[in-house]
Amino acid sequence: DAKTTQPTSMDCAEGRAANLPCNHSTISGNEYVYWYRQIHSQGPQYIIHGLKNNETNEMASLIITEDRKSSTLILPHATLRDTAVYYCIVRGGLGDYKLSFGAGTTVTVRA
Amino acid sequence: GAVVSQHPSWVICKSGTSVKIECRSLDFQATTMFWYRQFPKQSLMLMATSNEGSKATYEQGVEKDKFLINHASLTLSTLTVTSAHPEDSSFYICSAITQDTQYFGPGTRLTVL
Repeated sequence: DAKTTQPTSMDCAEGRAANLPCNHSTISGNEYVYWYRQIHSQGPQYIIHGLKNNETNEMASLIITEDRKSSTLILPHATLRDTAVYYCIVRGGLGDYKLSFGAGTTVTVRA
Repeated sequence: GAVVSQHPSWVICKSGTSVKIECRSLDFQATTMFWYRQFPKQSLMLMATSNEGSKATYEQGVEKDKFLINHASLTLSTLTVTSAHPEDSSFYICSAITQDTQYFGPGTRLTVL
């Protein structure tokens, strides 16, 4: 699976949009980009995933560049409860379900 | 939807004893489940892949005789830490697959005294 690079940490203001970048320059054509987050002492929570097109759900939006070498997770209106470690993971194609967790980005939402 | 539970949430045991952790998919059936371990201030490390009706597949460096995995039904996988020692103290997390996505349980905190 392709390796991802994320900033170690970032702060954002409550009520503002949080934009979390992820670099995956070695991604293959059939690999998906998945985002999870882990709030302290809890299991990871699925946020969103995509292959080529931008995706949006009730939690976030995922913007994938046309060359698929990077993506951005957008939390539209950050709240204090969004403080967590966010993991960007590149996963294999259909049937290849293993996830490799890196260090992620520690996001702190401040009032 | 896609809820995964774990039991217990936390457990304290004496060195040398065995501990069983259950992982259940509550609203879906899961042919495949995964077990992870997370030490303080570290990321999740995959321990093994649990397949219903067959033997688990362990990641390199994980002792299969120490971490026994049973996936006897489509909604339940168990991890038994045998002869636990203080170095096995960790946060154990399971996940299950549905709709091509892994969903995680809340985790089990194991402390071995």
